[in-house]
Amino acid sequence: DAKTTQPTSMDCAEGRAANLPCNHSTISGNEYVYWYRQIHSQGPQYIIHGLKNNETNEMASLIITEDRKSSTLILPHATLRDTAVYYCIVGLMEYGNKLVFGAGTILRVKS
Amino acid sequence: GAVVSQHPSRVICKSGTSVKIECRSLDFQATTMFWYRQFPKQSLMLMATSNEGSKATYEQGVEKDKFLINHASLTLSTLTVTSAHPEDSSFYICSAARVSRETQYFGPGTRLLVL
Repeated sequence: DAKTTQPTSMDCAEGRAANLPCNHSTISGNEYVYWYRQIHSQGPQYIIHGLKNNETNEMASLIITEDRKSSTLILPHATLRDTAVYYCIVGLMEYGNKLVFGAGTILRVKS
Repeated sequence: GAVVSQHPSRVICKSGTSVKIECRSLDFQATTMFWYRQFPKQSLMLMATSNEGSKATYEQGVEKDKFLINHASLTLSTLTVTSAHPEDSSFYICSAARVSRETQYFGPGTRLLVL
């Protein structure tokens, strides 16, 4: 599985957009980019995933560069409840495929 | 939809005893579930892949005789920590994916404390 590199931590002002970067320079052509987050003492929560096109859902937007070597998760209007560890994971989109978690980015949303 | 539950949420046990943790997919079927362990201030570490009706696949370094996994139905997988020791104290999390879908959904986790 391709590995990812994320900043250790980031701060964001409440109400502003939070842009979380992820590098995945060794991603293969059929691997997807997944984003999960984990709020303290809870199980991870699925946010979004994509292959090469930009994706948007009710939680966030995912921007993937044309060469697919990096991506950015965007939380358009961060709230205090978005404070969490955000994990960027690459993997095959097939049933039963395991997810390998890295260290993630600690996002602190401050008022 | 896509709700995964775990029971218990917290458990305290004495060293040497066994503890069973249940993982249920409440509104979907899952032929594959995963078990993770997370120590304080660390990331999730995959322990094993649980397959309905067959033996689990364990990650390197995980003792299969210590962490017994049973996936008896399409909605239930159990993890039994046998002869627990204080170093087994951790946050245990399961995940499941819907049949024909690929996105995994995670349970809320079980915090185990072995005294």
